Amino acid sequence: DAKTTQPNSMESNEEEPVHLPCNHSTISGTDYIHWYRQLPSQGPEYVIHGLTSNVNNRMASLAIAEDRKSSTLILHRATLRDAAVYYCILRDYSGNTPLVFGKGTRLSVIA
Amino acid sequence: NAGVTQTPKFRVLKTGQSMTLLCAQDMNHEYMYWYRQDPGMGLRLIHYSVGEGTTAKGEVPDGYNVSRLKKQNFLLGLESAAPSQTSVYFCASREPGQTRQPQHFGDGTRLSIL
Repeated sequence: DAKTTQPNSMESNEEEPVHLPCNHSTISGTDYIHWYRQLPSQGPEYVIHGLTSNVNNRMASLAIAEDRKSSTLILHRATLRDAAVYYCILRDYSGNTPLVFGKGTRLSVIA
Repeated sequence: NAGVTQTPKFRVLKTGQSMTLLCAQDMNHEYMYWYRQDPGMGLRLIHYSVGEGTTAKGEVPDGYNVSRLKKQNFLLGLESAAPSQTSVYFCASREPGQTRQPQHFGDGTRLSIL
């Protein structure tokens, strides 16, 4: 799996939007972009994934650059419960390889 | 819904002792995984299984053994625990097939080795 680069930490005010960036300049044409998050003292949980087009679900939105070398996870209104470590992971379309985790971005949400 | 259940949640061992961590999933998933997470780090893959009776090494397999005798269970064994194996251990499972299938994680086993 290709490597991703994320900021170590970010901070947001409660009820404001949060944009979490991820660079993946060596992404291949068959790699999907996955996001997981890990709340304190819990295992990671799936957030969203996409290939080329922007994606939305009940948790977040994923904006993917046209050249696919970067992407942004968007939390539309941060809540205190969104404070977590967010991982951006590339995964082959077959999905048969295990997830490879980097250090992720630690998001702090201020009330 | 139980999902992925890890047993025990906490354990303290002495160097040289052995123990087995149990992971059980009730989603009938084919694939199961064991990861470890050290402070301030991401998760690293220890071993994984793509089906009952099969296992494979991950990134950091040394000092660990695994078994998948039943589809719903994946056991992680430490034969002779060392302080370097102090960590939080996470189990995960997923359906095989296309990348859209997410991995489902347990809440971890916190293991301290003195």
